[in-house]
Amino acid sequence: AQKITQTQPGMFVQEKEAVTLDCTYDTSDPSYGLFWYKQPSSGEMIFLIYQGSYDQQNATEGRYSLNFQKARKSANLVISASQLGDSAMYFCAMSAGGTSYGKLTFGQGTILTVHP
Amino acid sequence: GAVVSQHPSWVICKSGTSVKIECRSLDFQATTMFWYRQFPKQSLMLMATSNEGSKATYEQGVEKDKFLINHASLTLSTLTVTSAHPEDSSFYICSADTGRDRDTEAFFGQGTRLTVV
Repeated sequence: AQKITQTQPGMFVQEKEAVTLDCTYDTSDPSYGLFWYKQPSSGEMIFLIYQGSYDQQNATEGRYSLNFQKARKSANLVISASQLGDSAMYFCAMSAGGTSYGKLTFGQGTILTVHP
Repeated sequence: GAVVSQHPSWVICKSGTSVKIECRSLDFQATTMFWYRQFPKQSLMLMATSNEGSKATYEQGVEKDKFLINHASLTLSTLTVTSAHPEDSSFYICSADTGRDRDTEAFFGQGTRLTVV
């Protein structure tokens, strides 16, 4: 079974500053995928970034980067140059190897608030 | 990317009635779709895997007779909440993956907020 842990219920950051959202995971499967999704108050799930367990380099997508430390089983999301529109709930999620990217185990989520 | 459309966005129903939620893949065929449930400020919990042309696979603790899933075509899965009660009030959201190599993500519908009164 997979488990995702997000230990930060809420985070605050000043506009234009960087912020790191923590995520640790546990799985016995050697092949897995790690995802970060953003959920604004409207409820939609917005895909941010993906990291495969065999990927050698950390994933980056614009202002988002994933700090993947396999030995520590962590997959922290770094948001650079925060914007007011980044205020939302952020979820870390995992798919097990060989299964669909749609079958995800989610963490508890972190509410990010960006202050002007 | 790909588009998954979910309908309705919100619904209010009376206790004891049934509600149907639709999830459509608009620009790809989805042999498998997934249904999640989310209570306010909580995580998304997988309820079931919807398989085209066969029975859904339910997660442990999810009542299959209460949450009926039908996946009759490659672009449509439906979730019917039968004999709804106030404790069924929640946010329901579906997802699907395209199966394409270039897509390393699942695509979610907009979600449905169900309120049972």
